[in-house]
Amino acid sequence: NAGVMQNPRHLVRRRGQEARLRCSPMKGHSHVYWYRQLPEEGLKFMVYLQKENIIDESGMPKERFSAEFPKEGPSILRIQQVVRGDSAAYFCASSPEQGALKNIQYFGAGTRLSVL
Amino acid sequence: QQQVKQSPQSLIVQKGGISIINCAYENTAFDYFPWYQQFPGKGPALLIAIRPDVSEKKEGRFTISFNKSAKQFSLHIMDSQPGDSATYFCAASSGSAGAGSYQLTFGKGTKLSVIP
Repeated sequence: NAGVMQNPRHLVRRRGQEARLRCSPMKGHSHVYWYRQLPEEGLKFMVYLQKENIIDESGMPKERFSAEFPKEGPSILRIQQVVRGDSAAYFCASSPEQGALKNIQYFGAGTRLSVL
Repeated sequence: QQQVKQSPQSLIVQKGGISIINCAYENTAFDYFPWYQQFPGKGPALLIAIRPDVSEKKEGRFTISFNKSAKQFSLHIMDSQPGDSATYFCAASSGSAGAGSYQLTFGKGTKLSVIP
């Protein structure tokens, strides 16, 4: 029973390039969250998705960032034209259907993005 | 505006001692309060969580105390061990639709060091 899978674990990009981060939720989970963690900081919410729907993107920067969770395949967080300030650890979490287990989020190991 | 305040920022405890980490929240809509443990280079791992209908929850050496009127909750680690050395994050979320979509709001973390 695999946990939340994220890849790549480490990603190096030069300024102006695109970064694509992938997340496969736990088996049976259809809710995905993306968070960003800066060094020595807590995690900050970015976006919440269900299959084929963005439910809440209130934490997502308005420009250059986008997210999707297609019917088939992993969730993707895309950062276009990366800048040095995008360097951070990006974590994905998944949760089961709502009800008694709502709110409970399980995290992946993260993708550490470094922008040169 | 930081909605979850966590203290202390760092904590050093002798092996066998009690580690206590405190959090305070502002949003009265929060109804789920988890604690996460994070080791360097890893993702946050769910440790223990509480809902506001109880004042205390215990799992092994870990206990959450919850004070709804004061809007505070704390993590107690009994018989602290060197293997407990990690960063601990408190978090909070709301299960009400339209009130944050279950996103977790994190504290800034407490770096715990348990010395032999």
